[in-house]
Amino acid sequence: QKEVEQNSGPLSVPEGAIASLNCTYSDRGSQSFFWYRQYSGKSPELIMSIYSNGDKEDGRFTAQLNKASQYVSLLIRDSQPSDSATYLCAVSGAGSYQLTFGKGTKLSVIP
Amino acid sequence: NAGVTQTPKFRILKIGQSMTLQCTQDMNHNYMYWYRQDPGMGLKLIYYSVGAGITDKGEVPNGYNVSRSTTEDFPLRLELAAPSQTSVYFCASRARGGQLSDEQYFGPGTRLTVT
Repeated sequence: QKEVEQNSGPLSVPEGAIASLNCTYSDRGSQSFFWYRQYSGKSPELIMSIYSNGDKEDGRFTAQLNKASQYVSLLIRDSQPSDSATYLCAVSGAGSYQLTFGKGTKLSVIP
Repeated sequence: NAGVTQTPKFRILKIGQSMTLQCTQDMNHNYMYWYRQDPGMGLKLIYYSVGAGITDKGEVPNGYNVSRSTTEDFPLRLELAAPSQTSVYFCASRARGGQLSDEQYFGPGTRLTVT
């Protein structure tokens, strides 16, 4: 069974710091990797997608992928209180129609 | 573009009642999905569809049914509601195509309570 593991947190960081969120996955054939942000009581919102090894930057967000270690991470620079949310890691296999989600990491940015 | 819309936002059902959760997308996406999310348990796939007339079971299909008669609509039917179906239900869609179209977009959700 394909699994996606995340530390449930909560992860607390001070405002302005770098928040580092981690995710590991079990299916070595996984090809597509996503980070979703979910505010309390709201639906998941796609914030980053990454498909090849290395880093991908978008504003204050950087996704990092290491397929050999089956590891994907999300860095949030200059963290703001508005970044406080649960972050879901999702993984898709080659040719798969489906995403497998982790349980999410709750991030709290302290002013 | 409204994206993915869901109705109703909230619903309370009595045990044994039935209802249909509606989902509509206006992005001409071929693939559509239904998930449920329980507290601390992440998102579980109930059913999905790769196009009109084609549906398949996900991880937790028991107690649910779906149909896909049009590209836009993907309703989820609950028959004989049970307390275990108390959850938040999300509909999602994605385009068909290559790797870069893997991204799924979610509707606002339906919060269902069965008592």
